[in-house]
Amino acid sequence: NAGVTQTPKFQVLKTGQSMTLQCAQDMNHEYMSWYRQDPGMGLRLIHYSVGAGITDQGEVPNGYNVSRSTTEDFPLRLLSAAPSQTSVYFCASSYSRTGVGETQYFGPGTRLLVL
Amino acid sequence: GNSVTQMEGPVTLSEEAFLTINCTYTATGYPSLFWYVQYPGEGLQLLLKATKADDKGSNKGFEATYRKETTSFHLEKGSVQVSDSAVYFCALSRTQGYQKVTFGTGTKLQVIP
Repeated sequence: NAGVTQTPKFQVLKTGQSMTLQCAQDMNHEYMSWYRQDPGMGLRLIHYSVGAGITDQGEVPNGYNVSRSTTEDFPLRLLSAAPSQTSVYFCASSYSRTGVGETQYFGPGTRLLVL
Repeated sequence: GNSVTQMEGPVTLSEEAFLTINCTYTATGYPSLFWYVQYPGEGLQLLLKATKADDKGSNKGFEATYRKETTSFHLEKGSVQVSDSAVYFCALSRTQGYQKVTFGTGTKLQVIP
């Protein structure tokens, strides 16, 4: 098992550009999510999905879109990049959409710099 | 809403020292509680967890006890090693509806030889 994979590892964008951060998991997990990590703020939930075709907003969804057409993939789209979106982005997955004590499995992260 | 408060770091300890990282939470109902660890340049990975009051999670010499009366889940280790240097995140997950995990801000631990 590769677990949770993310591409690219690092990206530089100019303000106004768009891009897609890729996330894939090979564990047949129902639940997938995107977080951003900023200094002093921990991890904040951007969007999550509880299964193919089902997504919902998290704590900081503005400026980001997601879709989930398959169980394996959960891409995050930046529509028009802004310097405030400079961050490290983590994708995570877990087996169940609900449940007690579900462990989150994290990808290695994508470091994004918006100039 | 749910929230997690961790002690601010960085925490610097000498090898073999005792470690405590405080974590308190605010939540409705009975959340599950977690400690995740992030080594430099990597994603987070689960360190330990507890799902009900008075449960003790343990792994790699680390322990934390779910204290509902004090809404706390403090992380402890009796003797830290240089290899424990990392950022530690306390987190909670609601247990009703779709799962949502709330993370603390993280505490950086540096262990010096």
